Amino acid sequence: GAGVSQSPRYKVAKRGQDVALRCDPISGHVSLFWYQQALGQGPEFLTYFQNEAQLDKSGLPSDRFFAERPEGSVSTLKIQRTQQEDSAVYLCASSLVQPTLNTGELFFGEGSRLTVL
Amino acid sequence: AQSVTQLDSHVSVSEGTPVLLRCNYSSSYSPSLFWYVQHPNKGLQLLLKYTSAATLVKGINGFEAEFKKSETSFHLTKPSAHMSDAAEYFCVVSEPGGSYIPTFGRGTSLIVHP
Repeated sequence: GAGVSQSPRYKVAKRGQDVALRCDPISGHVSLFWYQQALGQGPEFLTYFQNEAQLDKSGLPSDRFFAERPEGSVSTLKIQRTQQEDSAVYLCASSLVQPTLNTGELFFGEGSRLTVL
Repeated sequence: AQSVTQLDSHVSVSEGTPVLLRCNYSSSYSPSLFWYVQHPNKGLQLLLKYTSAATLVKGINGFEAEFKKSETSFHLTKPSAHMSDAAEYFCVVSEPGGSYIPTFGRGTSLIVHP
């Protein structure tokens, strides 16, 4: 596609439910990042993929958070047993280059807004 | 570890007046620095980036930023604000070869009055 696509754009979950957020990066982009953006804050890093390899998951806040990119393209962020503090916008970004070598432009999706009741 | 500090949470200007959004960074390596803009309900968009070439960087929509190593600053400026500039602006630092994960500041909300 022309840009990074995220779905769903909005998700309301009851506390304790599991949710899955999908990211379709720009075709051919090697790098894929997930960020969490709380209201009024800057994006906070969650995890990074280079192709299908998850090279950094140091930002995942708990073991309830899990991400995958099995074929090196589409990625899914899964949150188990959601809590109210998980309410945020989850942003996906892709990049053509490997950030270890050169920091290229990040192309962001519009985000998935999760509200946990 | 790398970090950025955006010194103002809100900046308010009148249309046609200059814009200054301040950013200071901390980095152990030669950093790459970026400014991104986020309009309501839109994805983040790159305004400009510094990657150790010219210290004065020009971006889209008339924005520019100057890398000042001695001051560890990367302030964003525009000579004349337009109503369409009203948005959230984020300063970002990364360290290729070091802490390569792009790290965002908390953001500065630019308000433009007619």
